[in-house]
Amino acid sequence: LAKTTQPISMDSYEGQEVNITCSHNNIATNDYITWYQQFPSQGPRFIIQGYKTKVTNEVASLFIPADRKSSTLSLPRVSLSDTAVYYCLPSGGYNKLIFGAGTRLAVHP
Amino acid sequence: EAGVTQFPSHSVIEKGQTVTLRCDPISGHDNLYWYRRVMGKEIKFLLHFVKESKQDESGMPNNRFLAERTGGTYSTLKVQPAELEDSGVYFCASSQLTSGSSDGELFFGEGSRLTVL
Repeated sequence: LAKTTQPISMDSYEGQEVNITCSHNNIATNDYITWYQQFPSQGPRFIIQGYKTKVTNEVASLFIPADRKSSTLSLPRVSLSDTAVYYCLPSGGYNKLIFGAGTRLAVHP
Repeated sequence: EAGVTQFPSHSVIEKGQTVTLRCDPISGHDNLYWYRRVMGKEIKFLLHFVKESKQDESGMPNNRFLAERTGGTYSTLKVQPAELEDSGVYFCASSQLTSGSSDGELFFGEGSRLTVL
């Protein structure tokens, strides 16, 4: 299974765009890239998923280059409520997710 | 529509006792997963049901853990006897996928926090 590397923590301010990059050098051909968000005392929550190029939904965008060895989650205009841990997860087959340490994002006023 | 619900939200037991955690998946979701996070560690996969069958139980730590999903609806995870290292948060998740496709999401419950004293 693909190992992922993402920054341990990031800081931002309200209204800024935040980009979190994840590397997954040995991602399998049939793996998707999925990002989850987790608030304290809650379970992870799906944000976005993609295979390659760009995917956008109402909360985020996901950029995956052609070689698929990395991906970048983009959160436009963050607010204090976006303070959470963000996980990058290659998902292959039956969605057995392998969680890493994630990126702890702190948004400041 | 109700999400994934877990019970209890928090359980405190003594070493050697038994605890049973329950998970009610989203109605109609054939896939049910158990994960856990022990203190200071990453969230780890425990097992996966497809309906009532265990698809993958490679993450179950030892035979003190028993998961069931009779009738393919709710699931229970029993720990007997509990040890100190079993303390952590146990998450349940469900999804609609019934094949090997990765194109979908897991819906997680809020977790059951287990404290073993």
